[in-house]
Amino acid sequence: DAKTTQPPSMDCAEGRAANLPCNHSTISGNEYVYWYRQIHSQGPQYIIHGLKNNETNEMASLIITEDRKSSTLILPHATLRDTAVYYCIVRGDYTGTASKLTFGTGTRLQVTL
Amino acid sequence: DSGVTQTPKHLITATGQRVTLRCSPRSGDLSVYWYQQSLDQGLQFLIQYYNGEERAKGNILERFSAQQFPDLHSELNLSSLELGDSALYFCASSVGGYPGELFFGEGSRLTVL
Repeated sequence: DAKTTQPPSMDCAEGRAANLPCNHSTISGNEYVYWYRQIHSQGPQYIIHGLKNNETNEMASLIITEDRKSSTLILPHATLRDTAVYYCIVRGDYTGTASKLTFGTGTRLQVTL
Repeated sequence: DSGVTQTPKHLITATGQRVTLRCSPRSGDLSVYWYQQSLDQGLQFLIQYYNGEERAKGNILERFSAQQFPDLHSELNLSSLELGDSALYFCASSVGGYPGELFFGEGSRLTVL
C-alpha cells in the first residue's frame, strides 16, 4: 500500500471549511484513498473514500487530483465536534479475505471558536 | 454507535497477569480486526480474522493470541502482561475481508500496574 504524508496539525475556525491535505505520490492505479477520524480516544470513524472521482457524502467531500498523487478532505462547515485526528490511508482493491488498514500519524485538527 | 461491542471498557491489572478482551462485531460482519493504540505508537494493527480463520497478522507479540468463534465474536488474550502493554485495544469489523470501511468499537483500556 502506498505511503501517505499529512501535516501533523491544523487549526480551523468554527463555521469555516476545513481543508485537510494528503500526499500519496506513490499511489498506484488500483489503490483507493480512505479517510478516517478519531475523536479523542474513541474508536476511529470512517468518513469517505474514493478512487479517481471526487466524492461527497453527508460528512465531507473528497477531492482527488487528476494525477491522483494528492487529495484533500473538506469539512464544509467545521464545528467544535470535528476536532479530531484525521487519517488518510491508501489501500489496494484486494478481493481476498486477508487484509488490513494501516494508520499513520494523521493530522490533528483543532476547531476553535 | 458503530454496532461493534467491546468488553470490558476498562481493565486494571498487574504485571505478569493474563486478561481477555472480547469483541462482538456488527451483525452480518464476517471480519474482525484488532488494533492496539498506545501513547507513543499510534494505531497498530495486530491481527485479522475472517469467518473464524486467521487471515492477516501484524506486529502481534507472541504473548498475545486471538480467536474468532463460530458465532463470530472474537477474543484477544494478553498474557504475561508488562507495563508497556498498557494501551487502548480496539476491535473493528467489516462485512468481508476487504477492510475499506471498518467499523470500530469504543475500545478496551488496559492499564498494567
